[in-house]
Amino acid sequence: AQSVTQLDSQVPVFEEAPVELRCNYSSSVSVYLFWYVQYPNQGLQLLLKYLSGSTLVKGINGFEAEFNKSQTSFHLRKPSVHISDTAEYFCAVSETDKLIFGTGTRLQVFP
Amino acid sequence: DAGVIQSPRHEVTEMGQEVTLRCKPISGHNSLFWYRQTMMRGLELLIYFNNNVPIDDSGMPEDRFSAKMPNASFSTLKIQPSEPRDSAVYFCASSRLASANTGELFFGEGSRLTVL
Repeated sequence: AQSVTQLDSQVPVFEEAPVELRCNYSSSVSVYLFWYVQYPNQGLQLLLKYLSGSTLVKGINGFEAEFNKSQTSFHLRKPSVHISDTAEYFCAVSETDKLIFGTGTRLQVFP
Repeated sequence: DAGVIQSPRHEVTEMGQEVTLRCKPISGHNSLFWYRQTMMRGLELLIYFNNNVPIDDSGMPEDRFSAKMPNASFSTLKIQPSEPRDSAVYFCASSRLASANTGELFFGEGSRLTVL
C-alpha cells in the first residue's frame, strides 16, 4: 500500500521568511503526489499536484513542490510566507482511485 | 456552482445516541469519499463510493459505523451507538471518477461531532 510521511507536525516561521514542509512517500510504482491546504474551520483545498513531466510543480498562493524520485520526496516550499499562509498542510498520494493523506504539518506564521 | 454540502456543521450528542451525518456532492461528480479527522490519527479514509456503489469500506472503524449513498446527490454516514472516541471532524469529498486518482477532490467544510 502507498503511504506518505510528514515528519514535521508543526513548523513555526516568521513572516517573509522562506519555508519548506517535508513529505516522503513509499511506493514501488509510479505515483501521483499532492499537497492540500486546510485553513481553520474549512475543508481541504488542492494546492498543487505532480502527475508526470517536470519535477518542479507550481501551485496556488506562490507555493511550489519538487518531486524527487531518488529520495522519494515531494517537499513543499515557499520563498516568502505571509500571515495568511497559516494553515494545516497535507501531503497525499493516490492509490488506484482514492487518496491517502499524511498526518499533516501545521504552518504557523508569526509577524 | 455549489460545492460539497455537509450537514450538520456541528453536532453534540450523548454517548449511546444515533448520529447521522449528511453530504451532498457536487453535481456531476460520481465518486464520493468520507474522511475522519482527529488530532491523534490525522485524516483517515473511512469509505468511498463510485457511481453510488461502495467500493472500499475497510477504513470504517467498526460495525457501529455505516454509510449509504441512495442516489448520486446524497450520502449519509451513521454512527449507532455513538461513543466519545467517535468525536472528530467528518469530511465528505467528491470528484469525477475519471479524475479521482489525479487528486482533484473537492471537500465539504466538515461536520464536527462531539460525543459526551
